[in-house]
Amino acid sequence: NAGVTQTPKFQVLKTGQSMTLQCAQDMNHEYMSWYRQDPGMGLRLIHYSVGAGITDQGEVPNGYNVSRSTTEDFPLRLLSAAPSQTSVYFCASSYSKGVPTYEQYFGPGTRLTVT
Amino acid sequence: AQRVTQPEKLLSVFKGAPVELKCNYSYSGSPELFWYVQYSRQRLQLLLRHISRESIKGFTADLNKGETSFHLKKPFAQEEDSAMYYCALSPSSNTGKLIFGQGTTLQVKP
Repeated sequence: NAGVTQTPKFQVLKTGQSMTLQCAQDMNHEYMSWYRQDPGMGLRLIHYSVGAGITDQGEVPNGYNVSRSTTEDFPLRLLSAAPSQTSVYFCASSYSKGVPTYEQYFGPGTRLTVT
Repeated sequence: AQRVTQPEKLLSVFKGAPVELKCNYSYSGSPELFWYVQYSRQRLQLLLRHISRESIKGFTADLNKGETSFHLKKPFAQEEDSAMYYCALSPSSNTGKLIFGQGTTLQVKP
C-alpha cells in the first residue's frame, strides 16, 4: 500500500491564482481531513469528510473548497491564493469499516508559498 | 471551547535525562487523547493514545482528568527522540477530526 499520497510536494503561487492540492489513499479509509501546519500554531483542521459525498468545515475553512466524489480522493482547492495561505498542508485519513481504528495516517505534506 | 495547549515550544535535554512534554486540554466530554510525532523529513505519525495505556519507544502518557492533562514522559531520553511532538484531542470518534496543540520540539543533546 502507498498509504496517503499528496501532490505536489512543493508549489509557488502568485496572489490570486487558484490551484488544487491532491490527496489520495489506498487503505479504504472512510475519514479524510486536510490540515495546515504553521509555526507556533500546530496543525489546524481546514475541512474533513466522513465518506464519499460528505464534507464539512473545520477550524479554518475560508479560502478553501473540498469535494469527495470517491472514497480514495480528497482534493483541496484554493480559490484565490493569498499570502496568508503560505503553509504546509497535510492530508490524513482514518477508519476503515470492519477495522475500526481511529489512528490517522498522514501524507508527506505539500509546502505552498504564495507571493 | 475545545482546545489543546502545549506550553513549551522547545524542550532541550541531555541524553539520558528524563523528559516530560506537557499537554493540557479543554473539553467538556470524555476526550480521546493522542500523541503524534514528526521526525525530521518523515511524516507525522501516531506515537500513542490514552485508551491503549501502552508504552511506545519508552514513552508513556497518563490521562489526568482532574488536571485535564496528558503529559508525555520518558525516563531516559535518547538522541533519536529528537522530533516535533504534538498532543491531539479527538472530540468525536465518528468524524476523524483531531484538534492539535501547538507542538513541542524536543532536542536531545549528546
